[in-house]
Amino acid sequence: DAKTTQPTSMDCAEGRAANLPCNHSTISGNEYVYWYRQIHSQGPQYIIHGLKNNETNEMASLIITEDRKSSTLILPHATLRDTAVYYCIVRGPMEYGNKLVFGAGTILRVKS
Amino acid sequence: DVKVTQSSRYLVKRTGEKVFLECVQDMDHENMFWYRQDPGLGLRLIYFSYDVKMKEKGDIPEGYSVSREKKERFSLILESASTNQTSMYLCASSLVNAGTGELFFGEGSRLTVL
Repeated sequence: DAKTTQPTSMDCAEGRAANLPCNHSTISGNEYVYWYRQIHSQGPQYIIHGLKNNETNEMASLIITEDRKSSTLILPHATLRDTAVYYCIVRGPMEYGNKLVFGAGTILRVKS
Repeated sequence: DVKVTQSSRYLVKRTGEKVFLECVQDMDHENMFWYRQDPGLGLRLIYFSYDVKMKEKGDIPEGYSVSREKKERFSLILESASTNQTSMYLCASSLVNAGTGELFFGEGSRLTVL
């Protein structure tokens, strides 16, 4: 699985968009980009994933560059409850035993 | 909703004790995983299982074993607990070849070994 690089921490004002970058320069053609987040004292929670195209769901948008070497998770209107650690993960196609490898993630602090 | 339930949120054990951490999922998922989480180190995979009675070592299996006798249940065993196994333990499950490949996590078990 390709390695990812994320900033250690970021701050965002409440109500503004939070843009969390991730570098995955060694990603291969069949590997997906996944984003999870972990709110304090809870297990990680799935946010979104994508392969090549940009994706949007009720929680966030995922923008993947054309060369797929980096991506950005966008929380369009951050709230205090979005304060969490955000993990960017690259993994291959689903298969038996296919696992996610979590890095250190980005601590996002949303401030009022 | 998928539910992954871990048997204990908080445990305190003594060095040398045998410790069982139980995890049950209710969505018929094939894959199940045990991670531990420590400050500054993120989540590290201990063991995973893709079928009943099947297990694979993750990145840090030393000092741990697992058991998967039924599809819904995946147990993590510390044969002789040591203080460096004090940690947060997270269980997760996922479907194979269907849906988003999303991992569903339990709320975690915080183990303290004295």
